[in-house]
Amino acid sequence: DGGITQSPKYLFRKEGQNVTLSCEQNLNHDAMYWYRQDPGQGLRLIYYSQIVNDFQKGDIAEGYSVSREKKESFPLTVTSAQKNPTAFYLCASSTLGTAYNEQFFGPGTRLTVL
Amino acid sequence: ELKVEQNPLFLSMQEGKNYTIYCNYSTTSDRLYWYRQDPGKSLESLFVLLSNGAVKQEGRLMASLDTKARLSTLHITAAVHDLSATYFCAVGEGGSEKLVFGKGMKLTVNP
Repeated sequence: DGGITQSPKYLFRKEGQNVTLSCEQNLNHDAMYWYRQDPGQGLRLIYYSQIVNDFQKGDIAEGYSVSREKKESFPLTVTSAQKNPTAFYLCASSTLGTAYNEQFFGPGTRLTVL
Repeated sequence: ELKVEQNPLFLSMQEGKNYTIYCNYSTTSDRLYWYRQDPGKSLESLFVLLSNGAVKQEGRLMASLDTKARLSTLHITAAVHDLSATYFCAVGEGGSEKLVFGKGMKLTVNP
């Protein structure tokens, strides 16, 4: 089955820790995205990548880092510099160069800072 | 800077009723998307609207796009409880692959 997987589903972080959220897709999509969702809010873009070994900052990149070493994978690291990381994190992917470029979303990771 | 506004943000309606929700955006765009999110879940794609006057329907939901007015509507016909969810519109930012999301409209359909 084609799709996007994210792990873990729930993640707990202590103050001062870095944590990495996994995102994998087998849709052969070129572009991948990370969003953050806070309660009662829309999605805000953290980082996105259109090609392997290249990525761009979104609107709220501070305190986060990413890598894109493989087309299928786009892990997100939440660093200790992110002061308020408790949120729901969603990964998405899309094709490029088509009219639709529709983004498809993974199931999400819920991060809680203890 | 592209801004996307949805209204209303909360809607409680009775089963069997009709209602229209709105999505306004601030700058020219050629792509608008509607998504559904159930509590604690991810986003599910509902509609992709690409051109002025585009209309798409799926079951009790119908979406339309007026690019001149920078407005999309999502019309609900004869609502049922299963439609209870949060509905997001997202607009493509010109010249990039980025989407800007509205805050979402939480719909509750009561028996």
